[in-house]
Amino acid sequence: QSVLTQPPSVSAAPGQWVTISCSGSISNIGSNDVSWYQQLPGTAPKRLISENTKRPSGIPDRFSGSKSGTSATLAIAGLQTGDEADYYCGTWDSSLSVWVFGGGTKVTVL
Amino acid sequence: QVQLVESGGGVVQSGDSLRLSCAASGFRGYGMHWVRQAPGKGLEWVALIWYDGSNTYYGDSVKGRFTISRDSYENMVYLEMNSLRVEDTAVYYCARDVGYFPNWSFDLWGRGTLVTVSS
Repeated sequence: QSVLTQPPSVSAAPGQWVTISCSGSISNIGSNDVSWYQQLPGTAPKRLISENTKRPSGIPDRFSGSKSGTSATLAIAGLQTGDEADYYCGTWDSSLSVWVFGGGTKVTVL
Repeated sequence: QVQLVESGGGVVQSGDSLRLSCAASGFRGYGMHWVRQAPGKGLEWVALIWYDGSNTYYGDSVKGRFTISRDSYENMVYLEMNSLRVEDTAVYYCARDVGYFPNWSFDLWGRGTLVTVSS
């Protein structure tokens, strides 16, 4: 059981919009910044979002992040077949003094 | 070239020890982490060492068995793994953190090294 809760899977047609939720608690998401990672099959994770909402250089603006209270959300607009991947949220847990990842969400493009 | 390259993985038996290495190039002075991924499973954070080596943190599943260290001169990060268990079988990634504690994110990842622990 992950400290951060994500839906196991989401799916949508090409061009549509999907959101991935990441639910935590006051000691993790409620206190610290959330980052998001994309893992394409057979590859290392890649950072998509840092500090809840910031998109690093080179990340398309189709990807956006938000945070409210003890939850965070990754949105992918204009879904493309190349977006099929696993997506993970992560943050520091100040009570446990560990970094925590969500269980991951598999995005399928129908 | 800015990159991380892990090495040292392999097949070992339950109870054995193994040391993983992460060679950093193109940068110095960052906090470094080990993250692992069991076959078909999600990411699991393993350990952290601060940029200056002054602090280390561990995940509960490896605390007391694994030790993270760094050699700043050689620009290397290590993960000493003792009393290995079948459930430690995973791809182990080295990752760099950026930002101010504890609001990091991992902006650079290696390609990983596979550790297989057999019974």
